[in-house]
Amino acid sequence: DGGITQSPKYLFRKEGQNVTLSCEQNLNHDAMYWYRQDPGQGLRLIYYSQIVNDFQKGDIAEGYSVSREKKESFPLTVTSAQKNPTAFYLCASTATGTGYEETQYFGPGTRLLVL
Amino acid sequence: AQKVTQAQTEISVVEKEDVTLDCVYETRDTTYYLFWYKQPPSGELVFLIRRNSFDEQNEISGRYSWNFQKSTSSFNFTITASQVVDSAVYFCALWYNQGGKLIFGQGTELSVKP
Repeated sequence: DGGITQSPKYLFRKEGQNVTLSCEQNLNHDAMYWYRQDPGQGLRLIYYSQIVNDFQKGDIAEGYSVSREKKESFPLTVTSAQKNPTAFYLCASTATGTGYEETQYFGPGTRLLVL
Repeated sequence: AQKVTQAQTEISVVEKEDVTLDCVYETRDTTYYLFWYKQPPSGELVFLIRRNSFDEQNEISGRYSWNFQKSTSSFNFTITASQVVDSAVYFCALWYNQGGKLIFGQGTELSVKP
């Protein structure tokens, strides 16, 4: 089945530790996105990538890093510089060149907790 | 500035009641898209509908209907004869041409009780 997978479902981070969240899609989508969701709030854009080997900062990129070496994969690293990383992280993707580039489809999310 | 406002933080209804979720947006772009997503307790956002700024036609899909009014910058969502399975957080979102990204509202948590 085509879709977006995120792993792990739950992730625990110790102080000063970098952790990486995985996002993979087999939808052949060009663009991928990372969002952060805090309790009772909407989604905020962290980073996005329209094409392989290129990505742009979103609204809250500080303390995060990404890479886009393959079309299918867009991992997010939460670095030790992110002082308040506890949140729910959602990955999304869109198809380009189809007339529906604006419609984002989401993965199941990763919940990150700080020990 | 681009903004999406969902003034209703929480709504609680009894099964079979109709319920309307409000969404008001702000944008200066003439080309934009509006969306509704459902987030059940599992967490994944499920796409419900996409509407472009040039199409004010209302839409009905089963028990769901959407009312888009440019004059009031609103894109409201109505669930008819609500069911317990409709319990979720619902997000309204705006994509505008100049920004090329989605702006989300704060979400409305709908609780449907049996």
